Amino acid sequence: EVQLVESGGGLVQPGGSLRLSCVASGFTFTTYWMGWVRQVPGKGLVWVSRINSDGSSTNYADSVRGRFTISRDNAKNTLYLQMNSLRAEDTAIFYCAREMSAVVSFDYWGQGTQVTVSS
Amino acid sequence: SYELTQPLSVSVALGQTATITCGGNNIGIKNVHWYQQKPGQAPVLVIYRDTKRPSGIPERFSGSNSGNTATLTISRAQAGDEADYYCQVWDSSTVVFGGGTKVTVL
Repeated sequence: EVQLVESGGGLVQPGGSLRLSCVASGFTFTTYWMGWVRQVPGKGLVWVSRINSDGSSTNYADSVRGRFTISRDNAKNTLYLQMNSLRAEDTAIFYCAREMSAVVSFDYWGQGTQVTVSS
Repeated sequence: SYELTQPLSVSVALGQTATITCGGNNIGIKNVHWYQQKPGQAPVLVIYRDTKRPSGIPERFSGSNSGNTATLTISRAQAGDEADYYCQVWDSSTVVFGGGTKVTVL
């Protein structure tokens, strides 16, 4: 069974940093692109970033480029999102998701971790 | 940047057919994917590559894509189909989601 478990969310002050983690199990992590999607409760889904299977290629939404860094540790089956210079508008639930092979869509999602940026 | 337009809400009578549209410039040449999200839960992929259903998704869910509009159709709607539905494409190295459509089953 595919499982994605996020952690690392919490309350942080504006300008602060946070690192999210997503531990994957139930599939061969090293062969899949992975991504992060966020959602303000009651609002829509917003894509954040994606990374290829070996970590050598990444994409970012304009709203986070230069502030967020996606990475992965294939030995630990873990995906990361390092978030710096956080703003109030980054407050959201952050989901880790697996991309389907050969198509940019997300076939498995974690349950999400809440990030709140507030003073 | 590429934009996807969905109606805010769609209502359907129990057992009838719901149609959710996703508009985008020449969307017919792109792969469109659809997600269902129930309150307090993570999204679930219900249609990928315009028309394909992942394992475990009922045949009542179907998709089409042509011209400037992609469509998700829910046949024989059930109470359990009440949810938000999002379309999604890949464009210019960016994942784009539609704004979402709330489906209410009456």
